[in-house]
Amino acid sequence: SQTIHQWPATLVQPVGSPLSLECTVEGTSNPNLYWYRQAAGRGLQLLFYSVGIGQISSEVPQNLSASRPQDRQFILSSKKLLLSDSGFYLCAWSAILPNTEAFFGQGTRLTVV
Amino acid sequence: GENVEQHPSTLSVQEGDSAVIKCTYSDSASNYFPWYKQELGKRPQLIIDIRSNVGEKKDQRIAVTLNKTAKHFSLHITETQPEDSAVYFCAASTNNNDMRFGAGTRLTVKP
Repeated sequence: SQTIHQWPATLVQPVGSPLSLECTVEGTSNPNLYWYRQAAGRGLQLLFYSVGIGQISSEVPQNLSASRPQDRQFILSSKKLLLSDSGFYLCAWSAILPNTEAFFGQGTRLTVV
Repeated sequence: GENVEQHPSTLSVQEGDSAVIKCTYSDSASNYFPWYKQELGKRPQLIIDIRSNVGEKKDQRIAVTLNKTAKHFSLHITETQPEDSAVYFCAASTNNNDMRFGAGTRLTVKP
């Protein structure tokens, strides 16, 4: 069966520090991969999605970036965190076929102080 | 890009009553419309979805309707129960797999 792992679960980082959140998927090949941010009391904002290695689509201009160095690995990064980067970050995957269910990781609660 | 709007942001109903959540989308190329339920402290999980070639789909107490012409779709929960209390998200996706979500509806079912 397929599983998705996202870590860490919680993270407290100072303003200006770098960020690296990692997400890996097991049990499937060529998944679509997503990074979403969920601000308190708000919806799921699509940040990045990838349909293949090295293929990243960015939805919102910001100081975050994403990379997909391997087929089932998706990394969210920042060189310098801002206070406004605080939030709940969710990684998700879906099968390569268009329009199938997305499965979410457990999420990372990031607090920038 | 696609813009998904969801209403209401909060909804409170009495146990046994029905709940309706509505969403609109902007991209006419969107053809997949899932609904997710997020319980407190948990990850969102799919509860039902509908594709653009279907106008209505039902699964026990939940149903979704889609109006492609008007670009809106709705979630209907009948005979609500306290365990239905959660945040519900609608989403829309094109063949590019760019799944975008609405802002969410916090549903509270009062016993």
